[in-house]
Amino acid sequence: DGGITQSPKYLFRKEGQNVTLSCEQNLNHDAMYWYRQDPGQGLRLIYYSQIVNDFQKGDIAEGYSVSREKKESFPLTVTSAQKNPTAFYLCASSRKQGTYEQYFGPGTRLTVT
Amino acid sequence: AQSVTQPDIHITVSEGASLELRCNYSYGATPYLFWYVQSPGQGLQLLLKYFSGDTLVQGIKGFEAEFKRSQSSFNLRKPSVHWSDAAEYFCAVGLSGGSNYKLTFGKGTLLTVNP
Repeated sequence: DGGITQSPKYLFRKEGQNVTLSCEQNLNHDAMYWYRQDPGQGLRLIYYSQIVNDFQKGDIAEGYSVSREKKESFPLTVTSAQKNPTAFYLCASSRKQGTYEQYFGPGTRLTVT
Repeated sequence: AQSVTQPDIHITVSEGASLELRCNYSYGATPYLFWYVQSPGQGLQLLLKYFSGDTLVQGIKGFEAEFKRSQSSFNLRKPSVHWSDAAEYFCAVGLSGGSNYKLTFGKGTLLTVNP
């Protein structure tokens, strides 16, 4: 079955630690995205990548970093510089042709205390 | 810049009643339009999309949406709501024909279904 996997489902970290969230897709999509979701805020774009070895900042990139070394993988690192890292993080992917609707993973809930 | 407004933060309907969720967008050209649904603690699932042609589009789970260019709207409808439809619904807009594949999402409408 094709799809997007995010691991782990729940992640707990102490303040001051960096943490990396995994996102893998086997849909053969070129573009991948990371969103942050907070209650009442909708989805806010953190980073996106339209091709391997290239990525762009979204609306709230501060305190986050990404890499895109493989087409299938787009890990997100939440650094200690992110002031409010506790949130639900969603990864998505899309084609670069047609209507490029985005397909989402199940999400990772990160709690930092 | 494109934007999406979902005027209703929370809607409550009775099971079996009809439903309409509103979505307005701001964009100069004809956009691609999408509706997604999210159950608590889950990812988003695509319900339907509009990119051209017939302005009334059918989606999964019995949902439909109508694109009205004159009103810059893309409202989601369902004739008879089931308890399992309780979820959060997001409208999204994308740029058609460009090289930027980002989507802009509304803040969502939470649907509660009363038995």
